[in-house]
Amino acid sequence: GQSLEQPSEVTAVEGAIVQINCTYQTSGFYGLSWYQQHDGGAPTFLSYNGLDGLEETGRFSSFLSRSDSYGYLLLQELQMKDSASYFCAVKGAAGNKLTFGGGTRVLVKP
Amino acid sequence: DAMVIQNPRYQVTQFGKPVTLSCSQTLNHNVMYWYQQKSSQAPKLLFHYYDKDFNNEADTPDNFQSRRPNTSFCFLDIRSPGLGDAAMYLCATSRDLQKNQPQHFGDGTRLSIL
Repeated sequence: GQSLEQPSEVTAVEGAIVQINCTYQTSGFYGLSWYQQHDGGAPTFLSYNGLDGLEETGRFSSFLSRSDSYGYLLLQELQMKDSASYFCAVKGAAGNKLTFGGGTRVLVKP
Repeated sequence: DAMVIQNPRYQVTQFGKPVTLSCSQTLNHNVMYWYQQKSSQAPKLLFHYYDKDFNNEADTPDNFQSRRPNTSFCFLDIRSPGLGDAAMYLCATSRDLQKNQPQHFGDGTRLSIL
């Protein structure tokens, strides 16, 4: 089976940096993805890491270490609109199935 | 422009009364997924279609079925909804099953059971 662990909630102020860690256990591994979901909205794809290292997309970066079964999403220069839930998700042995972590609720305060 | 469209946004049905949720896509993607998401929880995959091939998750209740009459449309049928089926139902698509392909989600249908 597959399981993912991520913190349930993080609070930070505008302009700060937040790192959301994700550890996973899978039978087979085909990449770690991150999705953002605002309250009442659809999950939106943010990033994918198939290989070790850092992927940067604007203010958001994602990191993967396959040997540690660990990844993180880094949110920089936080803005109020970044208040949302962030899910890490893995594709495991089945390849085509995304299993999501429980989500991290990020609250950005002025 | 909306690319994955779910109708309606809110659906109310009675306990035991069949209900159908619909999803359409303008992306011409091969794969369509249905997820169930309960409050403050992660989306949980129910099943997916790769083209016409249907793939059911092992723990998806028999109460849930799906139809994909063509590339653009996919339906979720709940035959006899119970109170535990109240949730947000998300439809998603991906171009194919390659590992790095992102999934594109619709805004969901929130189902309430009376």
